[in-house]
Amino acid sequence: GQSLEQPSEVTAVEGAIVQINCTYQTSGFYGLSWYQQHDGGAPTFLSYNALDGLEETGRFSSFLSRSDSYGYLLLQELQMKDSASYFCAGGAGKSTFGDGTTLTVKP
Amino acid sequence: EPEVTQTPSHQVTQMGQEVILRCVPISNHLYFYWYRQILGQKVEFLVSFYNNEISEKSEIFDDQFSVERPDGSNFTLKIRSTKLEDSAMYFCASSPGLRIEKLFFGSGTQLSVL
Repeated sequence: GQSLEQPSEVTAVEGAIVQINCTYQTSGFYGLSWYQQHDGGAPTFLSYNALDGLEETGRFSSFLSRSDSYGYLLLQELQMKDSASYFCAGGAGKSTFGDGTTLTVKP
Repeated sequence: EPEVTQTPSHQVTQMGQEVILRCVPISNHLYFYWYRQILGQKVEFLVSFYNNEISEKSEIFDDQFSVERPDGSNFTLKIRSTKLEDSAMYFCASSPGLRIEKLFFGSGTQLSVL
């Protein structure tokens, strides 16, 4: 089976840095992806790690450690518009999604 | 920027009726997917499709579900006899390759079964 675990909720203030962790158990793992979903919207791709290490895309970075079956999404210089649900996803062919982390950014 | 388009945006149907949800993936993508999301819950994988056949499916994707690529552009999900618990947002997604875990999602079809 495949499962990805992440915290259900995170709260932070504008301008801060927040890290959302994801631990996984999947078969045929290719890499770890991160998606953002605003209420009522479709998931949108943020970042993908095929190899161990850090990937940086603007204010967002993602990290993967295959040996630890662990990754995280780092959001810097938080803005109000970053309030959304964030999903880690991985696997082979299925892209199984984690349960999602609801990020609330407060002024 | 190319995008995945889905129609209709909302579909209301009676229990037991058949529905077809339609998707136009990004034109040069090779892998197509259907996911669903019940309100407030996570995104659940239904099926992936490559080279005109199903490559993987979940336990949710039972005999009531089928997918088809009837022409070079459309990708459809059919539910033969809808149940109340099929009410959900259905997302179509496409990706350029299997190992490129970057899915492009359509805006979804909200299916309501009454």
